[in-house]
Amino acid sequence: NAGVTQTPKFQVLKTGQSMTLQCAQDMNHNSMYWYRQDPGMGLRLIYYSASEGTTDKGEVPNGYNVSRLNKREFSLRLESAAPSQTSVYFCASSPPDTQETQYFGPGTRLLVL
Amino acid sequence: AQSVSQHNHHVILSEAASLELGCNYSYGGTVNLFWYVQYPGQHLQLLLKYFSGDPLVKGIKGFEAEFIKSKFSFNLRKPSVQWSDTAEYFCAVNARGSFQKLVFGTGTRLLVSP
Repeated sequence: NAGVTQTPKFQVLKTGQSMTLQCAQDMNHNSMYWYRQDPGMGLRLIYYSASEGTTDKGEVPNGYNVSRLNKREFSLRLESAAPSQTSVYFCASSPPDTQETQYFGPGTRLLVL
Repeated sequence: AQSVSQHNHHVILSEAASLELGCNYSYGGTVNLFWYVQYPGQHLQLLLKYFSGDPLVKGIKGFEAEFIKSKFSFNLRKPSVQWSDTAEYFCAVNARGSFQKLVFGTGTRLLVSP
């Protein structure tokens, strides 16, 4: 099993450009998440999807949209990138029980100029 | 809403030294507690977790953590660190009964010198 995979690994954008970060998991998990990691701020939840067909805002959703394409895939879209969105983005997945561990992908490092 | 504080932002230790990283959370209800580790260039991995029962939890690689409810703390410990423990450590909490919305602390960067 590959676990949680993310593409691309690294991306440079100019302000105003759009892009989609892809995430897929092969663990048959119901729930998926997108976080951003910034120095000195830990990980902050952007959006999550409790199950296929549902998405909800997390702590820092502004400037992002998500799509839960199917049970395996959960994408994050930046419609008009801003320098403040320079960050490392992590996707995670978990079974639905609150006591279960979240499994993280390798991350996408995004630089917005 | 929950919040998590990790007061040590950077820790430098020599090999074989003992480690204790502080974690305090703020929440009035029952919580689940986690420590995650991020080795250089890698993704987050679970070190250990506490849900209920024995407040002293043992994790991988010789790490342990103690949940002290009265202090709202979940400090991470290791008796003797190794160079390979160099990493960033994150404490996280979620409210029991809520959908898995983990709240992370800001992280502690540990550097172990050989």
